[in-house]
Amino acid sequence: DIQMTQSPSTLSASVGDRVTITCRASQSISSWLAWYQQKPGKAPNLLIYKASILGTGVPSRFSGSGSGTEFTLTISSLQPDDFATYYCQQYHIYPYTFGQGTNLEIK
Amino acid sequence: QVQLVESGGGVVQPGRSLRLSCAVSGFTFSSYAVHWVRQAPGKGLEWVAIISSDGSKKYYADSVNGRFIISRDDSKNTLYLQMNSLATEDTAVYYCARGSGSGTQEYWGQGTLVTVSS
Repeated sequence: DIQMTQSPSTLSASVGDRVTITCRASQSISSWLAWYQQKPGKAPNLLIYKASILGTGVPSRFSGSGSGTEFTLTISSLQPDDFATYYCQQYHIYPYTFGQGTNLEIK
Repeated sequence: QVQLVESGGGVVQPGRSLRLSCAVSGFTFSSYAVHWVRQAPGKGLEWVAIISSDGSKKYYADSVNGRFIISRDDSKNTLYLQMNSLATEDTAVYYCARGSGSGTQEYWGQGTLVTVSS
């Protein structure tokens, strides 16, 4: 199975900050990578797919990049609604696999 | 609008079986692949299974392969997950999700909690 590793596991930041989360795959997944946002007690929400394409209704402050084995999710200017947990997922090869998550908390 | 509503969760003893259902509306169910994803309490997301739009292809996580069976009934707009030989590590909130054209999980239900405990 493809292992997905996110860093950092926890990120403390302030409103207005620019933040970046990294996701590494144990083998090449081309651009078959998605990012999800999840808030406590809620289902995940698709933010980005195919590494860099914004999901429906996702604000433009979110962006994704990368291919092969290394990917990043960037939030250009943190808003209060962005404090949540973020997961990457590869959907190149079954079984699909998620990273362990990055908890973005308020500093 | 697109809706997915899971049901069938509850408390079950180790070794027993349980069947989850996911009723969908707001889209043509037979045109989409659908997934199950789970989340153990306080833990991250784990992809569980997918069934293709025509039901001919099914894939599973290693942790459930051979114990869980995904199926669909397009006449009832319903997805199922038959869970057999349940273990305590299967305790989780189980989400169903509609696949997108690219393979991601685009729309999600609210989840149903399965607790495996004696």
